[in-house]
Amino acid sequence: QKEVEQDPGPLSVPEGAIVSLNCTYSNSAFQYFMWYRQYSRKGPELLMYTYSSGNKEDGRFTAQVDKSSKYISLFIRDSQPSDSATYLCALRKGTDSWGKLQFGAGTQVVVTP
Amino acid sequence: EAQVTQNPRYLITVTGKKLTVTCSQNMNHEYMSWYRQDPGLGLRQIYYSMNVEVTDKGDVPEGYKVSRKEKRNFPLILESPSPNQTSLYFCASRDSRGEQFFGPGTRLTVL
Repeated sequence: QKEVEQDPGPLSVPEGAIVSLNCTYSNSAFQYFMWYRQYSRKGPELLMYTYSSGNKEDGRFTAQVDKSSKYISLFIRDSQPSDSATYLCALRKGTDSWGKLQFGAGTQVVVTP
Repeated sequence: EAQVTQNPRYLITVTGKKLTVTCSQNMNHEYMSWYRQDPGLGLRQIYYSMNVEVTDKGDVPEGYKVSRKEKRNFPLILESPSPNQTSLYFCASRDSRGEQFFGPGTRLTVL
C-alpha cells in the first residue's frame, strides 16, 4: 500500500465550478502538507503549504487538513481554463525541514470553457 | 530571477551510452535532489544532497550517480542507461523553510 493515495483523474469541470481534490495518507508521522500544480511540460510549482489541521485560504485556493482522518483536500473556487493542470499533494514527516517529501501520483484537472 | 535550470530539456540516447543531465540553482540552497516522474507512480526521489560533498540515496537510486562539488550544481549521471530509465526527470532545490523549487524537467528516452 502506498503511503499517499491520490486519484489520478482526469477530473473534468466546467468553467466557474468548484474543483475538489484530495489525498489520503496512512502514516500519522506526516506533519507538513503541500499542494503543487504542474502544467504540461513544466516542473511542479508550490501552491499551498500548511502544517496544522483546519483550513488555509489563498485567493481562490483553499487547503484543508484533517489529521484525525488522515485526509487532505484542495478546493479551487471559480475555476478557470488556466487552472487545467495536474495537482500533486506532497507530505513531509516530522519537524525537520530537510525531511523527504512523499508525493501523491497527481490528479489531472481539465476546466472546460 | 530565482530559478533551477536543467540541461538538456530533451534527450534521446541508446542503451549503454553514458550521459549527464546538469542542474544548477541560483538561490544558494543547501538541499538539492533529483526525481523521476512516471505515469501512475508520481514523483520518486533518486538522490539528494544536503550540502557540498554530502549525497545520499533516495527511493530509486539504482543505475544513477550524482556529485555535489559546488553548492549550485548537482548533476545526474547515468553511466550505462537502459530503456527502463526512460522517464521525465526533475531537479529541485529546497530553502530553509522546506519549500521546494523544481526545474523545468528533462525528458529522457533510452532506445
